[in-house]
Amino acid sequence: DTAVSQTPKYLVTQMGNDKSIKCEQNLGHDTMYWYKQDSKKFLKIMFSYNNKELIINETVPNRFSPKSPDKAHLNLHINSLELGDSAVYFCASSQARSSYEQYFGPGTRLTVT
Amino acid sequence: GNSVTQMEGPVTLSEEAFLTINCTYTATGYPSLFWYVQYPGEGLQLLLKATKADDKGSNKGFEATYRKETTSFHLEKGSVQVSDSAVYFCALSTNNNAGNMLTFGGGTRLMVKP
Repeated sequence: DTAVSQTPKYLVTQMGNDKSIKCEQNLGHDTMYWYKQDSKKFLKIMFSYNNKELIINETVPNRFSPKSPDKAHLNLHINSLELGDSAVYFCASSQARSSYEQYFGPGTRLTVT
Repeated sequence: GNSVTQMEGPVTLSEEAFLTINCTYTATGYPSLFWYVQYPGEGLQLLLKATKADDKGSNKGFEATYRKETTSFHLEKGSVQVSDSAVYFCALSTNNNAGNMLTFGGGTRLMVKP
């Protein structure tokens, strides 16, 4: 069984569209995260979500909005997509907010044309 | 703020060669340090970790020692294999109200040739 799964794996869309990426973890973890990996492989945290508390990285545009319907899911919705949003987005989870080890999903490659 | 600097790649080695990937960090407080590995087309996997000064993390033949005096956490392996070809990320975490958000280095691509 996949511990952290993301859908879709690939997403190609045009500028200005709105899209969502879904993430699910079956590990029973309390905390979930979204990371962005750019074309140079540089990884940066976007959000952390724990028990309905959202911690936002201030550098993330407000076009990005995470939504958590329950503890096992953290979806990422992106409005008005821009070329610079093209990247690989990784979801991760950890057992608790204080846990050191994070488990990553396989990533979603987003291409904005 | 926190930051992690690691050597740029790619690093190309022959099988059974010795590997070192340098990593240095800047952090407020007392960070925990990690090495993550990303195999082609996959997500990141935790390779090893060290949570306090002088700790040595080890896994699958890889080792790294938390050196507070030099703010370093260099990754080493005595004899690499072709299957070790991947991108390696050094990272740190300091626990605060936001939880353990990881700060990553830029990644180092390792290519091992038969």
